[in-house]
Amino acid sequence: GAVVSQHPSWVICKSGTSVKIECRSLDFQATTMFWYRQFPKQSLMLMATSNEGSKATYEQGVEKDKFLINHASLTLSTLTVTSAHPEDSSFYICSANSGPTEAFFGQGTRLTVV
Amino acid sequence: QKEVEQNSGPLSVPEGAIASLNCTYSDRGSQSFFWYRQYSGKSPELIMSIYSNGDKEDGRFTAQLNKASQYVSLLIRDSQPSDSATYLCAVEKNNNDMRFGAGTRLTVKP
Repeated sequence: GAVVSQHPSWVICKSGTSVKIECRSLDFQATTMFWYRQFPKQSLMLMATSNEGSKATYEQGVEKDKFLINHASLTLSTLTVTSAHPEDSSFYICSANSGPTEAFFGQGTRLTVV
Repeated sequence: QKEVEQNSGPLSVPEGAIASLNCTYSDRGSQSFFWYRQYSGKSPELIMSIYSNGDKEDGRFTAQLNKASQYVSLLIRDSQPSDSATYLCAVEKNNNDMRFGAGTRLTVKP
């Protein structure tokens, strides 16, 4: 199946700093990628849809100025958590579709803000 | 009403038994349905996809879809301890817009 690589797998940062997470489709081109956040024992919550060459579409309640998304190429989308706070600590997962319907997930990034 | 609803569990079955996981969805226009397995701290992995009414079998897994009832299920036969995980039901509302249920935690006891 298609491969989506996410980096880093885990990161610890100080409160107030920014963290960038990369999501790459390794063997296919993805015009659309998705960013999810998952808190412990909860399901995946869609944060935003990342569209290559255009602005991301954010879900209601997600601050676009705090979670900056850049989808500069057909194989790379980045999520930057700006001015991170402890409540931003979560598991962030990206996904991309290689075909009409099937989604492939990155490995996820465990963010801990101290 | 949540867009995708699942019983959170935990669901506990003995090894070798059949585990039955259920999911309902609210958008009657949904066309694509998926079951993902997620181990603790890991990313979800696709188990089954189903697009038309009826049953779809793949090894020990059977997905069942009933669009009239807006219901999709996953049966795991001959359950193994390695099947212990959280199972996420996902429904595609329109092209590429996927919504997830809260997940059902399954424990298979040896």
